[in-house]
Formats: sequence, structure tokens, C-alpha cells
Amino acid sequence: EPEVTQTPSHQVTQMGQEVILRCVPISNHLYFYWYRQILGQKVEFLVSFYNNEISEKSEIFDDQFSVERPDGSNFTLKIRSTKLEDSAMYFCASIPGNTEAFFGQGTRLTVV
Amino acid sequence: LAKTTQPISMDSYEGQEVNITCSHNNIATNDYITWYQQFPSQGPRFIIQGYKTKVTNEVASLFIPADRKSSTLSLPRVSLSDTAVYYCLVGASDTGRRALTFGSGTRLQVQP
Repeated sequence: EPEVTQTPSHQVTQMGQEVILRCVPISNHLYFYWYRQILGQKVEFLVSFYNNEISEKSEIFDDQFSVERPDGSNFTLKIRSTKLEDSAMYFCASIPGNTEAFFGQGTRLTVV
Repeated sequence: LAKTTQPISMDSYEGQEVNITCSHNNIATNDYITWYQQFPSQGPRFIIQGYKTKVTNEVASLFIPADRKSSTLSLPRVSLSDTAVYYCLVGASDTGRRALTFGSGTRLQVQP
């Protein structure tokens, strides 16, 4: 069964450093998303991406965040200068069209 | 987006049927009701989606009354592995273009 894969599974970084979280969505899916979940809290939407551009973003997704689909298969989330409060699970998701979302296993980001 | 209300937590025993009800009084005409399951440290996983009446798949059933202001996810004969957080989401059928909005979910604890 096709799945969304995310790497790394766990990343530890120092405050102020840049991190790139990687995702490989399911091929032939059209819509791509990043969500985050702070420990013990609910899943929060960050950004959606369609047709090689951002289609929607939340208030969380400020200038420190960016997304890219550099090669037609990978979908990356970059945080330019990490803060302690960026520590969370980050989930990538993709949707083929008008059906359910398929989520990856997540990347646990720990900022120290 | 229609706001949803679910119980914060539920307890059950193995082999019992579990029904989780979600209220969505402001559901719009073109909104669908979708349920996701999330295990600790994993991404949400689609369970079932419906518009009206009853939908059943190999995992669960979804009951939606005529006024569609609520819905009930039914898990038959739960096992320990069904311990998870269950989210009720309401949104238009063109979900591909819209962010999924997760509430706090219902934490189901299944005991032996």
C-alpha cells in the first residue's frame, strides 16, 4: 500500500539553527500539507500546497517557515531559525483529490 | 468551517461496542463528516467518511441522522489496539483544497 514517508523520524537542533524536514508524498497525489502537533495538544494546520504553490497557510506559518517541492517528488518544510516553541511532531500529508488525507509517520523536532 | 464537539475521553473494555458521538450544529449543506484515528506519535489515519444516513466499512460504521447536526462513530468489538484518539472533522467535499481542522478529539482507552 502506498504511503507518505517522512525523514528524519527525529531531529534535534539548537535554537537558531535551520532545519529541513523532508516528505515524499504518494505519487499522483495533487495536494500536499504540513501539520504540526505540540506534545499533548491537537493537530494544527500549517500550510497546503497545490500546483507548485502555497494555496493556504495558517497564522503559525510565518516568515520563518517555507515549503518547497524541488524535484516533483519531495516536499520539504524549512524552518529558518528554530525556536524552543517549534519543538513538535511535524506531519506531512497528501490527498489525491477529493478523498481522505494520507499522513506520514511524522518527524519529531526537538529544539534545545 | 463547522465547529465540532466530542467527549474528551471514553473508557471501554475489550469486546465491547464503542459509540463516539460528535456534535456539529452548524454543518453546511455541502459538508461531509470524516473521522480520523491517531495513535501516539503517529500521524492521523482516515477511518470513515459520510454525508447522511449510514456508512459502513471493514473498520467502523458511521451513523448520521436526518438533520446531520451530529454523527456517531461506532467501533464494533474493540480491542486493546483501538486505544487511540478519534477526531471528528466536518468540511466540504472539495477537501483537497482545504485544510483539515482537527479538534481536541476523543481519547478512547480500551482495557482488558
